[in-house]
Amino acid sequence: QVQLQESGPGLVKPSQTLSLTCTVSGGSISSGGYYWSWIRQHPGKGLEWIGYIYYSGSTYYNPSLKSRVTISVDTSKNQFSLKLSSVTAADTAVYYCARERITMVRGVIRWFDPWGQGTLVTVSS
Amino acid sequence: QSVLTQPPSASGTPGQRVTISCSGSSSNIGSNTVNWYQQLPGTAPKLLIYSNNQRPSGVPDRFSGSKSGTSASLAISGLQSEDEADYYCAAWDDSLNGHWVFGGGTKLTVL
Repeated sequence: QVQLQESGPGLVKPSQTLSLTCTVSGGSISSGGYYWSWIRQHPGKGLEWIGYIYYSGSTYYNPSLKSRVTISVDTSKNQFSLKLSSVTAADTAVYYCARERITMVRGVIRWFDPWGQGTLVTVSS
Repeated sequence: QSVLTQPPSASGTPGQRVTISCSGSSSNIGSNTVNWYQQLPGTAPKLLIYSNNQRPSGVPDRFSGSKSGTSASLAISGLQSEDEADYYCAAWDDSLNGHWVFGGGTKLTVL
């Protein structure tokens, strides 16, 4: 059973770069048919998709965050990572990594499963 | 302001049937399938329904989903206390070259 675990600093200073890593266990990140995503949840609020990466390195980002986001993958470590630059207090959130399954059955069907437990990142001086 | 619209709260008594709505547009729900996630207090979201009405293995058949046009619904029958959680709908949106959108979440209270 695939499991995901986020790791990284819980406190980042304004204007700096937020860096998180997601470690995948129980399966290979190089398995086809999956994208590896980052999603965040502001305190007490809803969910916001940040972007995804394929094991080949292809990426796709939320247009609203694209200018500040970089997602990378390290298949040798079965990990993928998130970098969010020029952070402000508005980037304070719980950050989740998740596996996105994509399949074609009378059209594209896609969903997130499983999710990591999430990690709170606070932006503050 | 979330792209998909959900009621902020819903409630029911044990054994009752409750429904949670999710309203979108032609670029998201109208064109793509809808997923539902359950978030128990202090935990990560968990997949509840995918592809409008499919239940992953292990999800009780008390949970069901449906979609019509640009709206979707989650129904929970035989409500139990452990169903008290936040519920989110999600769909791929074809605008701006494509991106995921979520509902703002519905907090379900079991009275």
